[in-house]
Amino acid sequence: DSGVTQTPKHLITATGQRVTLRCSPRSGDLSVYWYQQSLDQGLQFLIQYYNGEERAKGNILERFSAQQFPDLHSELNLSSLELGDSALYFCASSVDPGQIDGYTFGSGTRLTVV
Amino acid sequence: QQPVQSPQAVILREGEDAVINCSSSKALYSVHWYRQKHGEAPVFLMILLKGGEQKGHEKISASFNEKKQQSSLYLTASQLSYSGTYFCGTVYNTDKLIFGTGTRLQVFP
Repeated sequence: DSGVTQTPKHLITATGQRVTLRCSPRSGDLSVYWYQQSLDQGLQFLIQYYNGEERAKGNILERFSAQQFPDLHSELNLSSLELGDSALYFCASSVDPGQIDGYTFGSGTRLTVV
Repeated sequence: QQPVQSPQAVILREGEDAVINCSSSKALYSVHWYRQKHGEAPVFLMILLKGGEQKGHEKISASFNEKKQQSSLYLTASQLSYSGTYFCGTVYNTDKLIFGTGTRLQVFP
């Protein structure tokens, strides 16, 4: 157990639907990051939050949004889902927001859009 | 902006050595290295913050050549447990970590 908790582990939904992925960072970590990994692909950076504030954005689609709550857990909302959104979504956390600490990853949420 | 890793894949026998390279087209602030086993989360190996810095982690070490904008990961006397995909992650101005293209490493008995 890495200390980063992601729920649900698996999600199957239909095109056009909306889903919410949840992440609880490791205790003491203030930064949360979301990454998307498609089948046999690399890790694509989506967004970073630090202590409740958005800190950096990657190539995140407009249909996707995220937030970090006062208790530091984060949610990634995916709407108007398309087949191409099927992927493994990872959440990671770290103490420092400036990328000088290693990231601890959760076990991921596997999203399948049918 | 995504760093390029080479080689794309490596096949080794136990006990052999390997080098994985990570090259960037932009000046780097720092470099991270991670290993991901199939179906699992990436696991942090090490971070290099200064040009020329070398770090070690068991029989895995890395170097960072700031001038050449590249980093290399060295795996010596490989073990079966080293199998997986290795990703470098590059940081350009402290605001985000961009992962490389990945190198798949397979170690056979």
